[in-house]
Amino acid sequence: GENVEQHPSTLSVQEGDSAVIKCTYSDSASNYFPWYKQELGKGPQLIIDIRSNVGEKKDQRIAVTLNKTAKHFSLHITETQPEDSAVYFCAAIRGGTSYGKLTFGQGTILTVHP
Amino acid sequence: DAGVIQSPRHEVTEMGQEVTLRCKPISGHDYLFWYRQTMMRGLELLIYFNNNVPIDDSGMPEDRFSAKMPNASFSTLKIQPSEPRDSAVYFCASRIQGSETQYFGPGTRLLVL
Repeated sequence: GENVEQHPSTLSVQEGDSAVIKCTYSDSASNYFPWYKQELGKGPQLIIDIRSNVGEKKDQRIAVTLNKTAKHFSLHITETQPEDSAVYFCAAIRGGTSYGKLTFGQGTILTVHP
Repeated sequence: DAGVIQSPRHEVTEMGQEVTLRCKPISGHDYLFWYRQTMMRGLELLIYFNNNVPIDDSGMPEDRFSAKMPNASFSTLKIQPSEPRDSAVYFCASRIQGSETQYFGPGTRLLVL
C-alpha cells in the first residue's frame, strides 16, 4: 500500500518568515495530494491540493509543488502569521475518485512566533 | 451546510464498557470515513462506506470494533468492550462522488479509564 513520509515533525518560525513542509510517497500511481490544516480541538481542514498533472499550485500565501519523478511534494507558506500555527498533514490517494483511501503523513506542528 | 456532525464530542468511560460514536455526514455525500488519531500512530483510516455499504474495513483494529451505516445520513462506530488503548480522537469524514476532497467532523475525544 501507499506510504507517506512527512518532515519535519515540528517547525518553529518567526512571524513573516517562510515555512516549508516536505512529503514523500511510495506509490507511483498516486495522483492526488491534498494538504490539511488541523487547529487545536478541531478536525483537519483542506487548505490546498494538487494533482499529478500539475507541478505547482498557489493560493495567496500558500503554495504546493510536486515532483512526480522523485515522488515528493511540498507545502510552502510565505509571510507566516501566528494564526498559521497548527498541525499540517500531507496525504496521497491513488487512482480516480472511486478510490476512497487517503494515506496521511505523520503531521508537522508549525509554530509561528509573533 | 452544517458540515459533518459528530457526537458526543467527549466521552469518558471505564474499561469494559460499550462505547458508541455517531456521525452525520454532509447531505448528499455518498462516501463516509472513520479515522482514529493518536500521537503514536497519527491519522489512521478505520473503515469507509460508499452508498451505505462498507467498502474497506481493513483498518479496523480488531473484532471489538464495528461500524454501521443504516442510512445515508447516519453512521455509528461501536467499541465493545472498550480498553484503555482505545483512547484517541475519532474523526468522521465524508465526500461526494466525483471529488477527492474529504470534509472532517470535529471529532470525538474518547478516554477509556
